Amino acid sequence: AQKITQTQPGMFVQEKEAVTLDCTYDTSDPSYGLFWYKQPSSGEMIFLIYQGSYDQQNATEGRYSLNFQKARKSANLVISASQLGDSAMYFCAMRRNTGRRALTFGSGTRLQVQP
Amino acid sequence: DGGITQSPKYLFRKEGQNVTLSCEQNLNHDAMYWYRQDPGQGLRLIYYSQIVNDFQKGDIAEGYSVSREKKESFPLTVTSAQKNPTAFYLCASSRDHRSPTTDTQYFGPGTRLTVL
Repeated sequence: AQKITQTQPGMFVQEKEAVTLDCTYDTSDPSYGLFWYKQPSSGEMIFLIYQGSYDQQNATEGRYSLNFQKARKSANLVISASQLGDSAMYFCAMRRNTGRRALTFGSGTRLQVQP
Repeated sequence: DGGITQSPKYLFRKEGQNVTLSCEQNLNHDAMYWYRQDPGQGLRLIYYSQIVNDFQKGDIAEGYSVSREKKESFPLTVTSAQKNPTAFYLCASSRDHRSPTTDTQYFGPGTRLTVL
């Protein structure tokens, strides 16, 4: 079974500063994918970034980067130069690459960006 | 524009009634998924379908049913057997379940169901 743990229920960050949202995972599968999604107050889940378990380099997408430490089973999201529009819930998720391909989600972190 | 649509956005149901939530995608994606989200929690998988005319139970399938007669559509019926159906329901799709790198799931805007 897979499990995602997000230990930070809420985080505050000042506008223009960087913030790290923590995610640890547990799986016995050798091949898997890790995802981060943003959920604003409207409710829609917005895909941010993807990291494959065999990827050698950390994924980056604009202001988002994923700090992937496979041995520690962590996949932390780093948001650089925070903006007020970054205030939202952030979910870490994992997907197996064989068999059932649905996502397993963590409980989320609420990020609030302060001016 | 391509995307995933869910309707209605808000739905109210009396106890004992069945209700069907719509999910349509025009992305030509093979796989579709239904998730449930309760307040302050992450998403949990209800049902998924990797190909037309085939679907599988997720972790919390009891009290729900689905069909996948067309590639574009994956409706979810919440039956009277679902004991606590009030929740936010999200539909997702992904292009190719056979390829890890192209299997990113994209979500619709969701339907908020309230049982009165």
